[in-house]
Amino acid sequence: EIVLTQSPGTLSLSPGERATLSCRASQSISNSHVAWYQQKHGQAPRLVFYGASTRATGIPERISGSGSGTEFSLTISRLEPEDFAVYYCQQYGTAPLTFGGGTKVEIK
Amino acid sequence: QVQLQQSGPGLLKPSQTLSLTCTVSGASISSDGYYWTWIRQHPGKGLEWIGYIYNTGNTYYNPSLKSRLTISIDTSKNQFSLNLTSMTAADTAVYYCARRYSKAYLDYWGQGALVTVSS
Repeated sequence: EIVLTQSPGTLSLSPGERATLSCRASQSISNSHVAWYQQKHGQAPRLVFYGASTRATGIPERISGSGSGTEFSLTISRLEPEDFAVYYCQQYGTAPLTFGGGTKVEIK
Repeated sequence: QVQLQQSGPGLLKPSQTLSLTCTVSGASISSDGYYWTWIRQHPGKGLEWIGYIYNTGNTYYNPSLKSRLTISIDTSKNQFSLNLTSMTAADTAVYYCARRYSKAYLDYWGQGALVTVSS
């Protein structure tokens, strides 16, 4: 199965700063079949991106996704208070689906 | 608006069977192209795929859980369910149901249910 490694584990930033989250795959993911989820404390994950760069409904333009092959990233251009959460990547290019270990974006 | 509502017990004793149900509203569980999925999250940890079912009843299970797992679907009630036998403390987790679009991403999630296994 494809192993996804997310880095860093924790990102400590201030509101207004830029956040870049990385998701690296153990093998190439076909057709950039990567999704990102945002999970706030005590809540279910929420779909943020799919197809590596397609925003889910209601996701603001300050959040962008990119990547191909084995390297994918999620960028938040200017952090808003509601962006502080844990973010998970997930691949669906090869069965079984797998998740990364998550990156926590916390307020510095 | 698609909603998934979970129900089931929160506390089990070791060796008991976990039964969870997910009731879907705002969408038909019989619709083609969607796989009805269970995910779990151990305390403070990441997400683990448990398994999923299609409207035909075809199932796909995580190999690590396959021997203890049954996922079923009831199209008349617009529900799908999870049964996990021989529960141990290692199965303590928040269990989520979710809708998976076309064997791809998970676009709608249930609220989650904390299941604790303790004697």
